[in-house]
Amino acid sequence: AQSVTQLDSHVSVSEGTPVLLRCNYSSSYSPSLFWYVQHPNKGLQLLLKYTSAATLVKGINGFEAEFKKSETSFHLTKPSAHMSDAAEYFCVVTNTGNQFYFGTGTSLTVIP
Amino acid sequence: EAGVAQSPRYKIIEKRQSVAFWCNPISGHATLYWYQQILGQGPKLLIQFQNNGVVDDSQLPKDRFSAERLKGVDSTLKIQPAKLEDSAVYLCASGLTGSSYEQYFGPGTRLTVT
Repeated sequence: AQSVTQLDSHVSVSEGTPVLLRCNYSSSYSPSLFWYVQHPNKGLQLLLKYTSAATLVKGINGFEAEFKKSETSFHLTKPSAHMSDAAEYFCVVTNTGNQFYFGTGTSLTVIP
Repeated sequence: EAGVAQSPRYKIIEKRQSVAFWCNPISGHATLYWYQQILGQGPKLLIQFQNNGVVDDSQLPKDRFSAERLKGVDSTLKIQPAKLEDSAVYLCASGLTGSSYEQYFGPGTRLTVT
């Protein structure tokens, strides 16, 4: 069975400060993991992906995530938040490409 | 490159009526997905196509939902009859075959059942 748990439903940061969005996963096999971002009234956009290559993955807009098998985690980070980062973020897991499981989402607020 | 197109963008129907959603994937993408996203939740995969064949439909409520992708390009998702709990955003995504599993999402169709 596969699942993801996004540990925070809401995160609020000040502009220019670091961002940390937490994701833990459960998978019977070697997983592929993704982070997607959803801006209001827009489609989901892929931020980054892990597919069994390097454990530190760099994505678009300065985001990165580290796959930690021992902790079953795939946390999303960014050194300095920008106002345009305010959005909903989803962690996603699959191990075969046939079933994809989304977390419940983390809403990021950036305070000016 | 044109993105995934969906129509309509919004639909309001009464319970027990039927409704259909249309999706046109990115050209050349063999894989097509339909998701249901209920307010406050993450998207739930309903059905996945590879060309015009179904790869997975384990979470599709088959008593009322159906989907087809007859020519391996466009796809339609139908609900008949609709229930109040079907109110959600229906997302279509497409992707290339292979192990990267990247998906490209359309803007979604917001369905309200009254």
